[in-house]
Amino acid sequence: RKEVEQDPGPFNVPEGATVAFNCTYSNSASQSFFWYRQDCRKEPKLLMSVYSSGNEDGRFTAQLNRASQYISLLIRDSKLSDSATYLCVVNANTGNQFYFGTGTSLTVIP
Amino acid sequence: GAGVSQSPSNKVTEKGKDVELRCDPISGHTALYWYRQSLGQGLEFLIYFQGNSAPDKSGLPSDRFSAERTGGSVSTLTIQRTQQEDSAVYLCASSLGPHYTDTQYFGPGTRLTVL
Repeated sequence: RKEVEQDPGPFNVPEGATVAFNCTYSNSASQSFFWYRQDCRKEPKLLMSVYSSGNEDGRFTAQLNRASQYISLLIRDSKLSDSATYLCVVNANTGNQFYFGTGTSLTVIP
Repeated sequence: GAGVSQSPSNKVTEKGKDVELRCDPISGHTALYWYRQSLGQGLEFLIYFQGNSAPDKSGLPSDRFSAERTGGSVSTLTIQRTQQEDSAVYLCASSLGPHYTDTQYFGPGTRLTVL
């Protein structure tokens, strides 16, 4: 079983739509969680960390559900510039090994 | 300020040749990571450095792969006797410290093609 699993999509949504991605992880002792964004042929960049209580950054909301071992990312009022691949990242409790999901592709359509 | 830099940006080599990939982390960052990303795949962890030490080499796919870091700064990933399955983008990331909540900052990657 993979450490981190994501629906690869693609998700094609119109501008202004709300879209949500989920990601599941297998290690119940995982300590830290992140969403990264990767544009085509570019390096990943941190979008936001995911905290136990959930957190929001503008149009982006991240949630963590430890009981069900999943994290989610909600994007409201989608913009064309949100088109990218969104990577779910989980840190193993054994130190500094980070597990990346294969990413969910989002295309926002005019 | 300067971000993580990697060189070369692209490398085409013949099967069986050795290659060296370089990473310059952000100044002051003590932790450094190497990953590789194959087409349509997620990032695969290769190795992690804290300072010049590599406490976790578990991700290196074979003994053809090795890495070192000197002066707590620049790191080199070496692939000996390259194979076609080594073709991928090799990404380096650095973070301020070893804590698992520290944000990783990625370089632009080296695209390796083995013919």
